[in-house]
Amino acid sequence: AQSVTQLDSQVPVFEEAPVELRCNYSSSVSVYLFWYVQYPNQGLQLLLKYLSGSTLVKGINGFEAEFNKSQTSFHLRKPSVHISDTAEYFCAVTDLNAGGTSYGKLTFGQGTILTVHP
Amino acid sequence: NAGVTQTPKFRVLKTGQSMTLLCAQDMNHEYMYWYRQDPGMGLRLIHYSVGEGTTAKGEVPDGYNVSRLKKQNFLLGLESAAPSQTSVYFCASSLPGQGSYGYTFGSGTRLTVV
Repeated sequence: AQSVTQLDSQVPVFEEAPVELRCNYSSSVSVYLFWYVQYPNQGLQLLLKYLSGSTLVKGINGFEAEFNKSQTSFHLRKPSVHISDTAEYFCAVTDLNAGGTSYGKLTFGQGTILTVHP
Repeated sequence: NAGVTQTPKFRVLKTGQSMTLLCAQDMNHEYMYWYRQDPGMGLRLIHYSVGEGTTAKGEVPDGYNVSRLKKQNFLLGLESAAPSQTSVYFCASSLPGQGSYGYTFGSGTRLTVV
């Protein structure tokens, strides 16, 4: 079974500052990793994903994340945040069993609320 | 371009009442999921379906039932609502093979049980 831990429940930051949202996962098998964003009173949108290949993945709105297998981490970063980035961010993982039959079931972290102040 | 549509968007139930939440997708996705979102707990999988006529239990299935009679619809039922089922419910869908590549989410149903 896999699990996801987001290390910060809330991250306040000033506009144009850099930000890192931390995510650690545990799984006994290979995984796919995701970051989703949820704006107030909306559903979740896919921000970026790691499936294979380059460990640095780029997503929408200037976000990027780096997969670190040895540290089982998938931290999300943005070099300069905007007020509009204020939202809740979720890290998620799905594992790949031998038959490839994870059926896309995602395990989500607890969420990190990013608040960007002017 | 409706994507995934959830109805209703809001509902208040009294303890012991029953209701059905409807999820409809128009993307011909094979896989569909029901999650609940609670503060500080992220999203937890209730039930899922990998095709028409099939359903399976997720992480927190107790107190819920589901049906997938048509490929485009996935219904979540609460037979006897309890205050612990107060939550925001999200439906999502995806394609097989690409099921691990990211979901399309509905906008959610906010349910309060009093």
